[in-house]
Amino acid sequence: GAGVSQSPSNKVTEKGKDVELRCDPISGHTALYWYRQSLGQGLEFLIYFQGNSAPDKSGLPSDRFSAERTGGSVSTLTIQRTQQEDSAVYLCASSWGLLAGETQYFGPGTRLLVL
Amino acid sequence: AQTVTQSQPEMSVQEAETVTLSCTYDTSESDYYLFWYKQPPSRQMILVIRQEAYKQQNATENRFSVNFQKAAKSFSLKISDSQLGDAAMYFCAYRSANSGNTPLVFGKGTRLSVIA
Repeated sequence: GAGVSQSPSNKVTEKGKDVELRCDPISGHTALYWYRQSLGQGLEFLIYFQGNSAPDKSGLPSDRFSAERTGGSVSTLTIQRTQQEDSAVYLCASSWGLLAGETQYFGPGTRLLVL
Repeated sequence: AQTVTQSQPEMSVQEAETVTLSCTYDTSESDYYLFWYKQPPSRQMILVIRQEAYKQQNATENRFSVNFQKAAKSFSLKISDSQLGDAAMYFCAYRSANSGNTPLVFGKGTRLSVIA
């Protein structure tokens, strides 16, 4: 079946502009995660959705970052007034949301470059 | 908070040889999961192997195996009979088993090159 998809694949924007990154999780997965991968760094957790529960926003680096998940499926990560330090690969992952040891399935990511 | 450390930014191995990637972690929890993920140039993270902390037996998946030392908080990945397709970034990750569905905590990764 289809895996996790993300769009756009690459995004170049100017400092100060807003951007929206989209994630389509695997059908039926109730858990959805956003991670950020900066150059030379590991993956940094941003936000996590589980079913209809309030999202865990503890990883968002500033109030310029927000995310929503509509209908328990597609998620959009929005970065307002982008800064150069926001340049990174943004990865989305989904899972069944049942077990701590379950696999998180990742999308190919969106590479964001802020000029 | 849990942390994961990968002390080898880069490693290389000859094709068909064996290589071991190191990972240590810090936690006060007794029940957790450890993972190794592979990230090829396509950027898509792929699960290689997982280990449940309460299981003493080391996990194996074909050419991939781990050496899990719970007391030492060490979780190394051994790749046997290395192939060109194994070239990628490898990330070690931790996940608590006590807090419902929590995000993964990743190390900074090890870039593995395979030499033909």
